Amino acid sequence: EAQVTQNPRYLITVTGKKLTVTCSQNMNHEYMSWYRQDPGLGLRQIYYSMNVEVTDKGDVPEGYKVSRKEKRNFPLILESPSPNQTSLYFCASSEDRVYEQFFGPGTRLTVL
Amino acid sequence: TQLLEQSPQFLSIQEGENLTVYCNSSSVFSSLQWYRQEPGEGPVLLVTVVTGGEVKKLKRLTFQFGDARKDSSLHITAAQPGDTGLYLCAGAKAGANNLFFGTGTRLTVIP
Repeated sequence: EAQVTQNPRYLITVTGKKLTVTCSQNMNHEYMSWYRQDPGLGLRQIYYSMNVEVTDKGDVPEGYKVSRKEKRNFPLILESPSPNQTSLYFCASSEDRVYEQFFGPGTRLTVL
Repeated sequence: TQLLEQSPQFLSIQEGENLTVYCNSSSVFSSLQWYRQEPGEGPVLLVTVVTGGEVKKLKRLTFQFGDARKDSSLHITAAQPGDTGLYLCAGAKAGANNLFFGTGTRLTVIP
């Protein structure tokens, strides 16, 4: 089954404790991206990757890091989480930015 | 500042009514997509429009891309409770590598 998986689905952590949210896709897609979704603000892109070893900032990259060492994986790293990073995070993949984005199920992060 | 503004932000209607959701921008997009998101899930693509003035139909849903490719609308005929969800538009700008999402319209269809 074609899918994007994210782990964990739910995470409660404390300020400053480094965390990683994993994302993996099995569709051999070139393009992957991370979004955060907040009430009234819609989906905002954090980082995206056009291909392996190629990543670039989206609209709200501050406080986040990503890596794309393998085509299928695109982890999101919060080196020192803060409460304003409490949000619902989605990973997505597609053949290209203009094509259908396949979204993962989301990770709800709470930073205390 | 949001690149794509959707209106209305919230919409609650009775089953059987018609409705239109708008997605507006001052920027030109090379293509525009509409997604629906249900609680606890990621957005799922409904349609992609690429040509100014293009109209696409998906059962009771009609999507239109503005002539100038700056706006789009989603019209639902005879809404059903299964249409309930968050509707998101997303645009791709020529020469840009990222996708811009709208603010979303949360639709509730009451049986």
